[in-house]
Amino acid sequence: GEDVEQSLFLSVREGDSSVINCTYTDSSSTYLYWYKQEPGAGLQLLTYIFSNMDMKQDQRLTVLLNKKDKHLSLRIADTQTGDSAIYFCAESMGGGGADGLTFGKGTHLIIQP
Amino acid sequence: DTAVSQTPKYLVTQMGNDKSIKCEQNLGHDTMYWYKQDSKKFLKIMFSYNNKELIINETVPNRFSPKSPDKAHLNLHINSLELGDSAVYFCASSHGGEKLFFGSGTQLSVL
Repeated sequence: GEDVEQSLFLSVREGDSSVINCTYTDSSSTYLYWYKQEPGAGLQLLTYIFSNMDMKQDQRLTVLLNKKDKHLSLRIADTQTGDSAIYFCAESMGGGGADGLTFGKGTHLIIQP
Repeated sequence: DTAVSQTPKYLVTQMGNDKSIKCEQNLGHDTMYWYKQDSKKFLKIMFSYNNKELIINETVPNRFSPKSPDKAHLNLHINSLELGDSAVYFCASSHGGEKLFFGSGTQLSVL
């Protein structure tokens, strides 16, 4: 199966909170990441969490990490139309080094007015 | 200044041609990468390279070859292009394999 799994689509109403979930497999990952890709653009590093933390908050973004279950989530408070994008969860393979990141298939966040 | 820049942004070419995509990073990073994003937006690593090693994803055809003239550049050469090579190719860089920064992508269309 895939190393990193996430749902392909999430639809939320403008102003509500969005929660995007991800499961990963490599317990040696030093960091876990969320990237954002807007239409026609590259991947923007949105936020990341160190593997020995269980929560990180950055303005409207909250990242939760459950190492036991290998579960990562991204919560976007007060979702706006500008948040419409594909959100990729990623883990570093082998704890870093030249192996790069393994990405999930991306969650398309759709905002309803 | 753009941290990771790749050119061209769009590349349209005929089957069988040979083409190159260039990538440069000004972040002082030690590792660079090429990723392929298919039409379903799935991302797969193709290569990673630092001054010590080249790691090749075993699924990448040998028609694809990375060339690094120096640590700030990693170019991608593709020989004998095929229809299935049509995709968006992203260059990225990092320090020590964490927190990758991506270029804006090259959309390759093979006709």
